[in-house]
Amino acid sequence: AQSVTQLGSHVSVSEGALVLLRCNYSSSVPPYLFWYVQYPNQGLQLLLKYTTGATLVKGINGFEAEFKKSETSFHLTKPSAHMSDAAEYFCAVSFASGGYQKVTFGTGTKLQVIP
Amino acid sequence: EPEVTQTPSHQVTQMGQEVILRCVPISNHLYFYWYRQILGQKVEFLVSFYNNEISEKSEIFDDQFSVERPDGSNFTLKIRSTKLEDSAMYFCASSGGQVENEQYFGPGTRLTVT
Repeated sequence: AQSVTQLGSHVSVSEGALVLLRCNYSSSVPPYLFWYVQYPNQGLQLLLKYTTGATLVKGINGFEAEFKKSETSFHLTKPSAHMSDAAEYFCAVSFASGGYQKVTFGTGTKLQVIP
Repeated sequence: EPEVTQTPSHQVTQMGQEVILRCVPISNHLYFYWYRQILGQKVEFLVSFYNNEISEKSEIFDDQFSVERPDGSNFTLKIRSTKLEDSAMYFCASSGGQVENEQYFGPGTRLTVT
């Protein structure tokens, strides 16, 4: 079975400050890991993903995440928060099931950016 | 850039009524999914669909739910007799034929059961 834990349902940062959203996972097989962002009243947009290879993954809007197998973590970071980053962020873990990914989402972290 | 589309964006229905939520996946994708997000909760997997049949479904996906791909482009989720607890945002997603392909999500349909 696989699961995802996101620490902190709400995170507040000042504009220009570092953004750190935490995600830990458990998976019995090598996982694929994802971060999705959801703006109010919108769908889920893929920020970045880790499948294989380089453990530091860069995504859109200046976000990046590092896969640390020893810590079973995939924390999302951005050096400098922007007001437009205010949204809900979902970490997800998946593994191959036939020809597709079986995805399990975390409970989400709402990011508030304070001017 | 290709995208998944869903209609309607908001559906209001009375308890006991049937609803059909529609999705148009990305045209060359092979796998299709429905997810549900109850307000304030996490996104939950409902069902995956491949080669015109259900490949996997969750415990949530009971006999009240059905999916079909009626015409090679649309992918629908039917709820036969809606309950209050079916009120949620329903997301459709699709992915390509490679196992490492991510799922592309539509904007969602907000279903309100009164």
